[in-house]
Amino acid sequence: DQQVKQNSPSLSVQEGRISILNCDYTNSMFDYFLWYKKYPAEGPTFLISISSIKDKNEDGRFTVFLNKSAKHLSLHIVPSQPGDSAVYFCAASAGNNDMRFGAGTRLTVKP
Amino acid sequence: DVKVTQSSRYLVKRTGEKVFLECVQDMDHENMFWYRQDPGLGLRLIYFSYDVKMKEKGDIPEGYSVSREKKERFSLILESASTNQTSMYLCASRLAGALDTQYFGPGTRLTVL
Repeated sequence: DQQVKQNSPSLSVQEGRISILNCDYTNSMFDYFLWYKKYPAEGPTFLISISSIKDKNEDGRFTVFLNKSAKHLSLHIVPSQPGDSAVYFCAASAGNNDMRFGAGTRLTVKP
Repeated sequence: DVKVTQSSRYLVKRTGEKVFLECVQDMDHENMFWYRQDPGLGLRLIYFSYDVKMKEKGDIPEGYSVSREKKERFSLILESASTNQTSMYLCASRLAGALDTQYFGPGTRLTVL
């Protein structure tokens, strides 16, 4: 039973445009959400997070939006760069060690 | 900078062999985790450890065991490897009580023939 779902396995965007990666969750106890980025042959690295008390968190080109009523979060990257090409994992936590990951979305940014 | 290292990047084993995957972190983190990553399934938690000699089952512990004798080292053991355990294995560590990021190692791609 996947509690965190990333329904788009892949996304392709043009350099300079906006990338929007989506994530849905089912467990209403989740109160902390994270995005990780993974390059081939490397472990995932933390990108950005958001607490359930917020609906937006911004860090440079990366913004995460949280819609608690819809149990949905999204990651916006603008402008997208070729170096952003990677697999992005959404993760959610219920405040303890119980973190759940989505299946990942492979982003390709074309020059 | 936190560093999490895994003993092997690639490993090929035969069905029925006992397999040890080692993970070491250098930042004195209390919590350590083992995940496996499979296409379409993302990262699934196998086991985690709150502290030395402590362990908890994750979502898919069957066929695996773990050992945490020292704080910096967390080992994943496949008692009798099977072909369905062919996967990418990722180790991670985190400070106790930290809500946020886990730091991941580079992964071990295990193939069981």
